[in-house]
Amino acid sequence: RKEVEQDPGPFNVPEGATVAFNCTYSNSASQSFFWYRQDCRKEPKLLMSVYSSGNEDGRFTAQLNRASQYISLLIRDSKLSDSATYLCVVNGNTGNQFYFGTGTSLTVIP
Amino acid sequence: DAMVIQNPRYQVTQFGKPVTLSCSQTLNHNVMYWYQQKSSQAPKLLFHYYDKDFNNEADTPDNFQSRRPNTSFCFLDIRSPGLGDAAMYLCATSRLGPPEEQYFGPGTRLTVT
Repeated sequence: RKEVEQDPGPFNVPEGATVAFNCTYSNSASQSFFWYRQDCRKEPKLLMSVYSSGNEDGRFTAQLNRASQYISLLIRDSKLSDSATYLCVVNGNTGNQFYFGTGTSLTVIP
Repeated sequence: DAMVIQNPRYQVTQFGKPVTLSCSQTLNHNVMYWYQQKSSQAPKLLFHYYDKDFNNEADTPDNFQSRRPNTSFCFLDIRSPGLGDAAMYLCATSRLGPPEEQYFGPGTRLTVT
């Protein structure tokens, strides 16, 4: 079983739409969770950290459900500039080991 | 200002010819990582250092080696590159303990001919 699993999409949504991505993880001992954004042929960049039950940053909301071992990312009022791949990242047993999901591709259409 | 720097950005090497990729950081982070990312795939952790403590992933091929001579620098050596080693190689750093966000360099795109 993979450490982290994501729906690869692609998600094609119109501008202004709300879109949600889910991610499941296998290691119940994981303590740190992140969403990264990766543009084509660029490096991943941190979008949000999720340390407790969830947090919000502008149009972006991340939720963590420890009982079901999943995290989600909600994007409201999608912009064209939100088009990217969104990577779910979970830490492993040793704290500084990180495992990436395969990423969910989002295209926001005018 | 760049915080994690990778050189070169693009590297072409011949099948079987050793190649070294470099990474440096100005963040003074304890932990440095090397990832391999192939097209449309997730970054795959190859190894990481906590200071000089080296941690190899179980499935990282022996063909891949790493050195960290000091806090700021880390190198990835590919001893005998095969065609399957063509990928983007990403270096990242983080502090030890929360917050543990990783900061990535721009990557080195390796082509094997």
